[in-house]
Amino acid sequence: GQNIDQPTEMTATEGAIVQINCTYQTSGFNGLFWYQQHAGEAPTFLSYNVLDGLEEKGRFSSFLSRSKGYSYLLLKELQMKDSASYLCAVRTGGFKTIFGAGTRLFVKA
Amino acid sequence: DAMVIQNPRYQVTQFGKPVTLSCSQTLNHNVMYWYQQKSSQAPKLLFHYYDKDFNNEADTPDNFQSRRPNTSFCFLDIRSPGLGDAAMYLCATSPGGQLAKNIQYFGAGTRLSVL
Repeated sequence: GQNIDQPTEMTATEGAIVQINCTYQTSGFNGLFWYQQHAGEAPTFLSYNVLDGLEEKGRFSSFLSRSKGYSYLLLKELQMKDSASYLCAVRTGGFKTIFGAGTRLFVKA
Repeated sequence: DAMVIQNPRYQVTQFGKPVTLSCSQTLNHNVMYWYQQKSSQAPKLLFHYYDKDFNNEADTPDNFQSRRPNTSFCFLDIRSPGLGDAAMYLCATSPGGQLAKNIQYFGAGTRLSVL
């Protein structure tokens, strides 16, 4: 079967750093995406990894290890507006993408 | 400037009464997707179009159908909605091209209620 696992919820403090982990087991791999989704809204693209290593983009970084089926999203200098769900998604082949259930991040003052 | 537009934002239908959700895009993307998302769950891919080629997921119920009359528009038809079909329905697009990242751009979604 195909599976993407993420923690259900995390809490962090404004200004801190938080790491959201994602492990995946899929029949194919053509890239891993992270999306942010605020409650009741559409997911928006954050980052993309297809090769092993770290991709940095402002306050957000994403890491991938294909051999371990593992990725993480690192958020620095947390702001209250970062409170949202973070979805890990794997493009498995063709245009098919499988999403994880998301990690709900609460940022407290 | 909305690029993927879904109408309506909220839809209420009766049990068994056919309903159509619509999606339009101004991005001229080749690929359009329909996802079903229930509360606190992952978006679940129902089907996608690459241009006019329709790709149905194996576990998508026959109750769900789709049409793509042209590049810009895509419709989701639910022939006989049941209570279990109440969910947020998300439309997304991506450029297409096997070597491209194919970042998906989502619409704001249609929240469907079934009475």
